[in-house]
Amino acid sequence: DQQVKQNSPSLSVQEGRISILNCDYTNSMFDYFLWYKKYPAEGPTFLISISSIKDKNEDGRFTVFLNKSAKHLSLHIVPSQPGDSAVYFCAASSSLTGANSKLTFGKGITLSVRP
Amino acid sequence: DSGVTQTPKHLITATGQRVTLRCSPRSGDLSVYWYQQSLDQGLQFLIQYYNGEERAKGNILERFSAQQFPDLHSELNLSSLELGDSALYFCASSARGASGTGELFFGEGSRLTVL
Repeated sequence: DQQVKQNSPSLSVQEGRISILNCDYTNSMFDYFLWYKKYPAEGPTFLISISSIKDKNEDGRFTVFLNKSAKHLSLHIVPSQPGDSAVYFCAASSSLTGANSKLTFGKGITLSVRP
Repeated sequence: DSGVTQTPKHLITATGQRVTLRCSPRSGDLSVYWYQQSLDQGLQFLIQYYNGEERAKGNILERFSAQQFPDLHSELNLSSLELGDSALYFCASSARGASGTGELFFGEGSRLTVL
């Protein structure tokens, strides 16, 4: 039972254009949503997060949008840069503390930004 | 550098053997999480410890066990290894509740190859 789904395994965009990475979830108890970025031979690194009380969070070139009714979130990267090429994981949890603080991850999307 | 240290980085062993993976969390973090990433899979949650006590369990096989010691480092023990146990094993730590974002900080992972 995959509770966090990233249905597109890969995405290729031109440098300077917008990258939109999508994520869907099924567990209505999820309240915190995060995006992680992973380069080969490295651990995942935190990128940006959003809680269920918001519908948008922005940090520089990165914006995460949350649609709770549709159980959908997306990560926008504008403008995309070659250094953004990596695997992006969507993750969710239902609590900041305790047993439900674990993150449930999607399978990831490989983003390639073409120069 | 996330501040989370995992050893060894690479490990090659044979079926039926037992290995121990070690994790030192970020200074001050009380929670440790273990994840497994197999080929083409997302990060699968295995187990969580908080200040020495098991807090949550995920899809962890009975052949696997873990513990967190008084100095807060953690070990993941994998026994009776099978070919399918070959994967990247990540450790993460957090000071959940302190930052409000719910992020986990990941180590670089231990790559286990079972031959």
